[in-house]
Amino acid sequence: NAGVMQNPRHLVRRRGQEARLRCSPVKGHSHVYWYRQLPEEGLKFMVYLQKENIIDESGMPKERFSAEFPKEGPSILRIQQVVRGDSAAYFCASSPEGYGNTIYFGEGSWLTVV
Amino acid sequence: GESVGLHLPTLSVQEGDNSIINCAYSNSASDYFIWYKQESGKGPQFIIDIRSNMDKRQGQRVTVLLNKTVKHLSLQIAATQPGDSAVYFCAENIFGGSQGNLIFGKGTKLSVKP
Repeated sequence: NAGVMQNPRHLVRRRGQEARLRCSPVKGHSHVYWYRQLPEEGLKFMVYLQKENIIDESGMPKERFSAEFPKEGPSILRIQQVVRGDSAAYFCASSPEGYGNTIYFGEGSWLTVV
Repeated sequence: GESVGLHLPTLSVQEGDNSIINCAYSNSASDYFIWYKQESGKGPQFIIDIRSNMDKRQGQRVTVLLNKTVKHLSLQIAATQPGDSAVYFCAENIFGGSQGNLIFGKGTKLSVKP
């Protein structure tokens, strides 16, 4: 996984709570992507960010979901007022600037909403 | 809807045999394809990629074949080993790999019998 660090690895939230997932890209990578994976399915693109900019959020649900990649610190995927349907694995990936061909994935954060 | 899909959801092979995992895509604008391996509880791991100007690419024990006429992609694993047991995803990119937004198929589970 070339050093993409995600935390927490497992998160349990009650319906209505907020979930915050963090991603530290490979050192030197300035492009970050978030994907969601439901059980027994492939990954679905959510959002593509560069430092302080959202480049493509076409895969993000219109409500409750937001993402940021500040100048300093990790990228954050935030899910407000979680519902059971948000239960999934959330993967972060990063790639070096100007070379997005091979993106490196983290180990994922598994969110369970009870 | 999905533009990438797989013909076989599960594949069981004997150790030492060759494995072939197939994938169909429907977006003729896709020009870059990647195969990922995902072990249980882990993130996707890059295996091999291929651009649309090629029809074959070889790596260590793996070969990817691309047939643009029928929009078909396959991954061949030679001398399959128990460590190859995982779910395999094909993914496509419509930006020539310049951005990491990937469309994933649903995956094929490869099971290697000793």
